[in-house]
Parts: sequence; structure tokens; C-alpha cells
Amino acid sequence: DIQMTQSPSSLSASVGDRVTITCRASQGISSYLNWYQQKPGKAPKLLIYAASSLQSGVPSRFSGSGSGTDFTLTINSLQPEDVATYYCQQSYSSPRTFGQGTKVEIK
Amino acid sequence: QVQLQESGPGLVKPSETLSLTCTVSGDSISTYYWTWIRQPPGKGLEWIGYIYYSGSTNYNPSLKSRVTMSVDTSKNQFSLKLKSVTAADTAVYFCARDLLGTAKVWWFDPWGQGTLVTVSS
Repeated sequence: DIQMTQSPSSLSASVGDRVTITCRASQGISSYLNWYQQKPGKAPKLLIYAASSLQSGVPSRFSGSGSGTDFTLTINSLQPEDVATYYCQQSYSSPRTFGQGTKVEIK
Repeated sequence: QVQLQESGPGLVKPSETLSLTCTVSGDSISTYYWTWIRQPPGKGLEWIGYIYYSGSTNYNPSLKSRVTMSVDTSKNQFSLKLKSVTAADTAVYFCARDLLGTAKVWWFDPWGQGTLVTVSS
């Protein structure tokens, strides 16, 4: 199985800050990487697919980058409604696997 | 727009079989792949497997010996059975559409709201 490791596990930032979450794969996965946002008590929601493509309806302050083993999710100008846990997920090979999640809070 | 809704018992006894159904509305089930994912309380996400409308499946090896998925195209539903459950199977179970998009990348979208299944006597 491909292991996905996110860092940090949690972070606290101020409204308006730029937030960066990293995701590292245990082997190269090209751009087969997706990002999801999960708010408390809710189902995950797709934010970014294929490493850098923004899902329709997702605010443009979210962006993704990377290829191979190292990926980044960036939130430009953090908003109160961005409080959530963020997960990366690889679809390069089966079984599909997720990172352990990064919890984002407002300072 | 496509919507998914999980249904099934919220409490299952140890050693018994967990059975859940996902009802799809807004699109035909006979077009896509459909997947199950679970999340133990306070923990991360685990992919269980997917099923195609034709009945072909792909299960996570960690659960393969206990999982069966099926599809009912007449009802626009697909189902999950997990046998011989233990407390470790207590989780929120999500169903989702498994999409093949650009550059041959697969992703899960949309998701059902999830249903909590507790394994306890």
C-alpha cells in the first residue's frame, strides 16, 4: 500500500493568513492526488483533484501543487469557514489511501 | 445534481453482519463506479472498495475476506455487507461516487452524509 503522510497534524492561524499543508507519498504517484475538506460532523468534500485542479464551486483561495511524492495544499487568506480537517488521497494504485488529516483552526 | 444517502442499522452485534445501502438520486447508477469509505470516531478515512454497475468489484485487501458489495440497478442502489464484525468496525460509513476524470485520475465526489454504525452487544 502507498502510505500518505501529512504535515502538520494540526495548525492554528489567523484570519487572512496563508496556510500550507503538505502531503508526502511513500512512492511516486505522478499527479494522482486529491484533497478533501471535512467540516465537523459532515462528509468530506472534494477541493482539488489531479494535484492542482480546483473543483467547481470551490473558492479560488484554495490551490494545490506538486507531483511525484510531494504535494501542497495552500489556503490564501484563511477564512473562518475554512475551519476543518483536510485530507490528501492517492488514486495511483489500489488500495486508495488517505493521509491522516490536518486539522485547521483559527487563532 | 447527484445525491447519495446511506441507510441501515445503526447497531450491530459482534460477529454478525453489517449491512448498508446507498440510494443514488439525480443520476443513473448505471454510469459510474461507486465506493464505500469508513471513518472510525475521531480517526481518519479508510477506503473499503468500489463496485461498478456491472457488478465488478475491487476491495481493500485489509477487508477483502469480509466484504461483499452488490448493486441493484432497478432501485438505483448499491450495498455493502461486512461480516464477522468487531468493535474495530465501529465507524461512520460513507458512500460516494467514484469518478474517472482528467488525466485518468480517480476521485470521490459527491459523498453521502454518512451513517454511524456501532458494533456492540
